[in-house]
Amino acid sequence: EPEVTQTPSHQVTQMGQEVILRCVPISNHLYFYWYRQILGQKVEFLVSFYNNEISEKSEIFDDQFSVERPDGSNFTLKIRSTKLEDSAMYFCASSEGGPLATEAFFGQGTRLTVV
Amino acid sequence: QKEVEQDPGPLSVPEGAIVSLNCTYSNSAFQYFMWYRQYSRKGPELLMYTYSSGNKEDGRFTAQVDKSSKYISLFIRDSQPSDSATYLCAMRRGSYIPTFGRGTSLIVHP
Repeated sequence: EPEVTQTPSHQVTQMGQEVILRCVPISNHLYFYWYRQILGQKVEFLVSFYNNEISEKSEIFDDQFSVERPDGSNFTLKIRSTKLEDSAMYFCASSEGGPLATEAFFGQGTRLTVV
Repeated sequence: QKEVEQDPGPLSVPEGAIVSLNCTYSNSAFQYFMWYRQYSRKGPELLMYTYSSGNKEDGRFTAQVDKSSKYISLFIRDSQPSDSATYLCAMRRGSYIPTFGRGTSLIVHP
């Protein structure tokens, strides 16, 4: 069964460092998303991406964040200068036809710990 | 008032019990309603997806939407220990990104 894969599963970084979280969406999906979940809190939307550009982003997705699809398979989230409050599970998701079609399938997540 | 409210639990039930999980919401424009299951340290997995009001059944799971009350439910019949997880409701309007509830932790003990 096709699945969304994320690497690494756990990333520890020092405050102020840049991190890149990687995702391989399901191959025939066209819409890609990043969500985060701070421990014990709800899943929060960060950004959606379609046709090589951001289609929607939340207030959380400020100038410290960027996304990229560097090739035909990977989808990355970069945090330029990490803060302690960026510590969370980051989930990548993809969907076939966008929000109006099938719902998004989530990856296993990357646990980011900023120390 | 939060857009989506969900009691975090934990809800502890014996194996075989009928489980009822609920969410309330404030935005009457929500049209699409989803339930996700999330095991510890895993990503959410879509369980049920309904549009507008009514019931939808899939095996042991039944999703109900009451738009007049802004209330949605997920029922699990004959609950199993393997059903122990966090259940997230999510909802959206039109083509907008879904809003998630906080999740309810369910524990089914043998």
